[in-house]
Amino acid sequence: AQKITQTQPGMFVQEKEAVTLDCTYDTSDQSYGLFWYKQPSSGEMIFLIYQGSYDEQNATEGRYSLNFQKARKSANLVISASQLGDSAMYFCAMRGTVNSGNTPLVFGKGTRLSVIA
Amino acid sequence: SAVISQKPSRDICQRGTSLTIQCQVDSQVTMMFWYRQQPGQSLTLIATANQGSEATYESGFVIDKFPISRPNLTFSTLTVSNMSPEDSSIYLCSACRGHEQYFGPGTRLTVT
Repeated sequence: AQKITQTQPGMFVQEKEAVTLDCTYDTSDQSYGLFWYKQPSSGEMIFLIYQGSYDEQNATEGRYSLNFQKARKSANLVISASQLGDSAMYFCAMRGTVNSGNTPLVFGKGTRLSVIA
Repeated sequence: SAVISQKPSRDICQRGTSLTIQCQVDSQVTMMFWYRQQPGQSLTLIATANQGSEATYESGFVIDKFPISRPNLTFSTLTVSNMSPEDSSIYLCSACRGHEQYFGPGTRLTVT
């Protein structure tokens, strides 16, 4: 079974500053994928970034980067140069088997990020 | 990225009635997934829908309450049956393209 833990129910960050959202995971799978999603108040789930368990380099997508520490089973999301539009819920998720579209995602409880002007 | 559409986007329903939510993907996918997100909560998987076979339900969800159809590789429906106020949630469908998983915009259901 897989489990995702997000220990920060809420975070505040000043506009233009960087922020790290924590995520730890537990799995017995050797091959797995880690995901981050953003959910604004509209409710849509916006895919942000993906990290495969065998990827040697940390994933980056624009202002988003994933700080992957396999030994610690952590996959923290770093948002650089925060913008007011970054205010939203952020979910960490994982799936066993890296490239299989046949297994569902397991989600953490989420972190609500508020960006302050 | 994959484009997933859902209908309706929101609805207000009376208890005891049923609502069918439609999900359309812009390309063929093997599996489609249905999630529920109760107010202020995370996403919980309801079931996995494979074309040509019965959906696989997660613990706590049953076919009589949440029947699912998957008539082809781009379309699925979820019915919320005999609704009660506890069914008020956002319902999201999801599908994979490569290693990435995308979600529809969600159906916001309120049961009165």
